[in-house]
Amino acid sequence: AQRVTQPEKLLSVFKGAPVELKCNYSYSGSPELFWYVQYSRQRLQLLLRHISRESIKGFTADLNKGETSFHLKKPFAQEEDSAMYYCALSGGTSYGKLTFGQGTILTVHP
Amino acid sequence: EAGVTQFPSHSVIEKGQTVTLRCDPISGHDNLYWYRRVMGKEIKFLLHFVKESKQDESGMPNNRFLAERTGGTYSTLKVQPAELEDSGVYFCASSNTQGNTIYFGEGSWLTVV
Repeated sequence: AQRVTQPEKLLSVFKGAPVELKCNYSYSGSPELFWYVQYSRQRLQLLLRHISRESIKGFTADLNKGETSFHLKKPFAQEEDSAMYYCALSGGTSYGKLTFGQGTILTVHP
Repeated sequence: EAGVTQFPSHSVIEKGQTVTLRCDPISGHDNLYWYRRVMGKEIKFLLHFVKESKQDESGMPNNRFLAERTGGTYSTLKVQPAELEDSGVYFCASSNTQGNTIYFGEGSWLTVV
């Protein structure tokens, strides 16, 4: 069975500080990993995916197959980064069938 | 371009009643997904339509839930009869044929009292 674990429900940092949101997964094959974000009063939206190896809004995430992790990082947090972040895994042929973690609420204080 | 729209945004019903949630995907998107998040739990996959066909309904919790997508356009998710544990947020999402990016609706909040 596939599973995604986000160990932190809440994470608070100050503006300008580095931030890391943790995500670990379990899956027997080669998964596709994603980070989704939901800002206040907005819909859930894709932040980044591991196959793109891109940086979005200053965030990066590296897939570590040895540690089965896909942590989300940003060197200097901004107040507008405050949101709910979900790590998700797609293990089948459909990108849309996602297994989500429980989410981490990130609060960036001024 | 209009995004995925869901109706109603909020619904409060009594246990035993019926509720029907509607999802209008982005125009031209063949893939349509339903998810839900119940209190304190993670967002969970319910089912996947490709056009009007159910591709995968492995996440449907029980036979009180019925999803349809007649004509391959909008979809409905009916809960009958509703139970207290059905309370939560029901998300709809859609993607095009390539399916590599899915777009979520704002969700329908269901409260069963």
